[in-house]
Amino acid sequence: QVQLQESGPGLAKPSETLSLTCSVSGGSISGTYYWSWIRQLPGKGLEWIGYIFYSGSTYYNPSLKSRITISVDTSKNQFSLKLNSVTAADTAVYYCARMGKLGRWFFDLWGRGTLVIVSS
Amino acid sequence: QSALTQPASVSGSPGQSITISCTGTSSDVGSYDFVSWYQQHPGKAPKLIIYEVSNLPSGVSNRFSGSKSGNTASLTISGLQAEDEADYYCSSYTSSSTLMFGGGTWVTVL
Repeated sequence: QVQLQESGPGLAKPSETLSLTCSVSGGSISGTYYWSWIRQLPGKGLEWIGYIFYSGSTYYNPSLKSRITISVDTSKNQFSLKLNSVTAADTAVYYCARMGKLGRWFFDLWGRGTLVIVSS
Repeated sequence: QSALTQPASVSGSPGQSITISCTGTSSDVGSYDFVSWYQQHPGKAPKLIIYEVSNLPSGVSNRFSGSKSGNTASLTISGLQAEDEADYYCSSYTSSSTLMFGGGTWVTVL
């Protein structure tokens, strides 16, 4: 069965770039699904960050758009998130997730999440 | 853009039914059938339990059901069980072409 796994540094310094990768196993990232990043801020709040299709087309949350880049590497069956100019407010658990087929707005498969702390 | 409004907590006894509300506006819940619900146990990732208002994903217990009326969506858990104790989040597509989540509801099984 398809599984998602986030990886990346658990600590980032203020003003630097946070970089995370999501590895997809048990199935191909190329197909009819879109792939998203979601974060959960301290105190529970969930925030959708953006999505990518295997073709490379992306769509970002307008509130984060200026700081986000999501990319895909189909040869490695991975997609990645870069969030630049981070502050303490970006401290969160970051999840990668699979969206419903053809970009339907729900997430039917989630990674375990990775905690990123922004601190000097 | 504010989060969708959910009660902070709901409780019920085993076997009872409980309902969690998710209140939005005519720009999100009221205009689109892209409402979904997620269950999250402490320290775990969220799990999809309802999509597109009332659809049950494969493998999810039919004790969970979803509905919508106007700007408010609802999740009902019938035959409450100890394993249902968790956080529950709603989400909705919005007219700003983005996705919004609710603040979460903690369900306590008494």
